[in-house]
Amino acid sequence: GQQVMQIPQYQHVQEGEDFTTYCNSSTTLSNIQWYKQRPGGHPVFLIQLVKSGEVKKQKRLTFQFGEAKKNSSLHITATQTTDVGTYFCAGPGGSQGNLIFGKGTKLSVKP
Amino acid sequence: DSGVTQTPKHLITATGQRVTLRCSPRSGDLSVYWYQQSLDQGLQFLIHYYNGEERAKGNILERFSAQQFPDLHSELNLSSLELGDSALYFCASSVVPSATDTQYFGPGTRLTVL
Repeated sequence: GQQVMQIPQYQHVQEGEDFTTYCNSSTTLSNIQWYKQRPGGHPVFLIQLVKSGEVKKQKRLTFQFGEAKKNSSLHITATQTTDVGTYFCAGPGGSQGNLIFGKGTKLSVKP
Repeated sequence: DSGVTQTPKHLITATGQRVTLRCSPRSGDLSVYWYQQSLDQGLQFLIHYYNGEERAKGNILERFSAQQFPDLHSELNLSSLELGDSALYFCASSVVPSATDTQYFGPGTRLTVL
């Protein structure tokens, strides 16, 4: 079945360093969504990418969707302690709206 | 606050027991999704309801069942509980059953099976 793989599983950075997480799908995706889950919290929607090669920015966060629509990345510039959490990518799991989530990248930031 | 509510927040029970988790979607949302989050498996899709009807099933065990009521709240029933069922259970809601629609997650129910 469809799989969404995400690497790395963990990333420890010093505050101010950059961070990137990568997401790869076994199939072409119509769209990809990114969520953030703070420690002890619930997943919160960040962004959706739909077009091939699309790049979207939210302040220090840059999201990319690959040309083949099978991979995506999230890059954070100059991390801050508020960026701590687990970042998930998610692709469509079927025609009814359910999502297939990657296992997430857990980011810790040392002040 | 996502507008999605889940009760209870925590649940501790014994193996073999049955529990019911409750979810109220955001006002206006017709779709409810249930997910299980465990340490080694990440977020696993269980089941999806739209306007009272089951729309999709994921990795949901036969011991688990769900329903969505006319007022659109949903319940997830877990029976014959095993130690491995201990996890966080999230529900999420969206307006329509589309993979391009944003899903809003509730705070989750942490289930501990002893």
